[in-house]
Amino acid sequence: GENVEQHPSTLSVQEGDSAVIKCTYSDSASNYFPWYKQELGKGPQLIIDIRSNVGEKKDQRIAVTLNKTAKHFSLHITETQPEDSAVYFCAAQYFRGSTLGRLYFGRGTQLTVWP
Amino acid sequence: SQTIHQWPATLVQPVGSPLSLECTVEGTSNPNLYWYRQAAGRGLQLLFYSIGIGQISSEVPQNLSASRPQDRQFILSSKKLLLSDSGFYLCAWSGVRTGGASGANVLTFGAGSRLTVL
Repeated sequence: GENVEQHPSTLSVQEGDSAVIKCTYSDSASNYFPWYKQELGKGPQLIIDIRSNVGEKKDQRIAVTLNKTAKHFSLHITETQPEDSAVYFCAAQYFRGSTLGRLYFGRGTQLTVWP
Repeated sequence: SQTIHQWPATLVQPVGSPLSLECTVEGTSNPNLYWYRQAAGRGLQLLFYSIGIGQISSEVPQNLSASRPQDRQFILSSKKLLLSDSGFYLCAWSGVRTGGASGANVLTFGAGSRLTVL
């Protein structure tokens, strides 16, 4: 099956700096890569996603890049704010002839933004 | 629009007692439904998923079971809780949604249920 590795597990940045979280995946058939943000005591929420036919996607201060050859994708947050503090999960969608494309998650990154 | 409800939000149960967590989805039909558990290490572990009424797939052998008695209802149960069952349980759905893209497995999570087994 798919294996998603996520780094770093914790990340601390100063407000206004950029934050980068990186993930690698093992199955070249994976074709959908979402990022989720989980605030304390809440369920994860989708913040951005990218499909395998696109190399980069941006939404205001967040962006995701995908390198299919190297099988890695990254989340970039610019001009970080204290409200960006949360746990971030990457995931890869894995199709193997099934109608249910299962998502495989990384272990999460605790991002802390200091004012 | 689609919404997902999950309850109870918090639960403290003694070892050996039964468990029932419920999840319902509104605003869609025939959703894929999931139960995840998040232990202290924050990783998301897929427990069960369902593609239709009465169709349950288990990812990890455990003390828990799941049922889907109605199209948009998913229940997580246990007959006898163990200490190791403590954690944050998340229900999620995917499928056709209004006003957005379908086809990919876009998951929408509920707010979670925190279970403490004493």
